[in-house]
Amino acid sequence: SQTIHQWPATLVQPVGSPLSLECTVEGTSNPNLYWYRQAAGRGLQLLFYSVGIGQISSEVPQNLSASRPQDRQFILSSKKLLLSDSGFYLCAWSVHETGELFFGEGSRLTVL
Amino acid sequence: KQEVTQIPAALSVPEGENLVLNCSFTDSAIYNLQWFRQDPGKGLTSLLLIQSSQREQTSGRLNASLDKSSGRSTLYIAASQPGDSATYLCAASGAGSYQLTFGKGTKLSVIP
Repeated sequence: SQTIHQWPATLVQPVGSPLSLECTVEGTSNPNLYWYRQAAGRGLQLLFYSVGIGQISSEVPQNLSASRPQDRQFILSSKKLLLSDSGFYLCAWSVHETGELFFGEGSRLTVL
Repeated sequence: KQEVTQIPAALSVPEGENLVLNCSFTDSAIYNLQWFRQDPGKGLTSLLLIQSSQREQTSGRLNASLDKSSGRSTLYIAASQPGDSATYLCAASGAGSYQLTFGKGTKLSVIP
């Protein structure tokens, strides 16, 4: 069966510091991968999605970037965090045939 | 662009009651619609996926329906239990894409 792992679960970082959140999927090959952000009182916002290695699409211009160095690995990064980057970040993958979406457990980022 | 609305934002019911959660979307040319459950501080758990050719899906005490012509979906929960307390999110794809747009969710509280 397929599983998705995301880490770290919780992160507290000062403004201006770098960020790296990592996500890996097991049990499937060539998944579509996604990074979402969930801010308090707001819906899920799609940040990036990837249909293959090195193929990244950005939905919202911002202080973040994403990379996919391996088929089942998706990384969310920032060189310098802003206060507004605080939130709950969720990695997800989807089934090609149906588009059904499955999420990781999330990473809570607090920027101070 | 697909827009998804969930009303009410919060709902409180006594244990054992049957209930319906509502979801509306603006673009009827969807590929699929998916219902999720989110517990506090956790990722999203997929409950049901309805593809555009389907009218409903069932899993245990849950039944989700899809009416593309009216732009509506409902999630029916039978014989509610305190363990059903969570936020329920609806997400719909837009025309030509499996990518999902999320509603802001309905927070359900089932009172023992």
